[in-house]
Amino acid sequence: GAGVSQTPSNKVTEKGKYVELRCDPISGHTALYWYRQSLGQGPEFLIYFQGTGAADDSGLPNDRFFAVRPEGSVSTLKIQRTERGDSAVYLCASSLGGATDTQYFGPGTRLTVL
Amino acid sequence: RKEVEQDPGPFNVPEGATVAFNCTYSNSASQSFFWYRQDCRKEPKLLMSVYSSGNEDGRFTAQLNRASQYISLLIRDSKLSDSATYLCVVNSSGNTPLVFGKGTRLSVIA
Repeated sequence: GAGVSQTPSNKVTEKGKYVELRCDPISGHTALYWYRQSLGQGPEFLIYFQGTGAADDSGLPNDRFFAVRPEGSVSTLKIQRTERGDSAVYLCASSLGGATDTQYFGPGTRLTVL
Repeated sequence: RKEVEQDPGPFNVPEGATVAFNCTYSNSASQSFFWYRQDCRKEPKLLMSVYSSGNEDGRFTAQLNRASQYISLLIRDSKLSDSATYLCVVNSSGNTPLVFGKGTRLSVIA
């Protein structure tokens, strides 16, 4: 079946602009996670949804970052007033939502802020 | 101190060699442990879970020492296709965010 998909695969924007990154989880997966991976680092947690609600947003670096999942499926990560330090690969993962379920990652969106 | 620490490498080994990676974690409440593999410019993919009794999957063996908060991965008979970054991953319970190490880069050379 289809895996996690993310669009766009690459996004180049200018400092100060607004961007939206989209994640389509595996069908039927209730848990959805956003991570950010900078060069030479492992992925770092941003926010986790269980269904439509954000169960844990403790990883969001500041209030420029926001994410939604209005219907419990597709999620959008929104970044306002982008800064050069936001440049990274943004990874989305989903799982069935049970205590031992594996998280499956999408291919990521590579964001470059000029 | 980082929550999950790994030697970043790179480890450059010849084909057929045996190579071992180590990882330590700081959160004693961690309950689940994994090794993920990440190829260049690709997403992480689960290689194997790590169990307290140790587990093996073909050429790959994972060990966990809860007392020392230490995880290892052993790769026997290395193949060129094993070249990748290996990420040590923990979480406190199954349905919570994963905590990743920085990864250990492996290059297997012909």
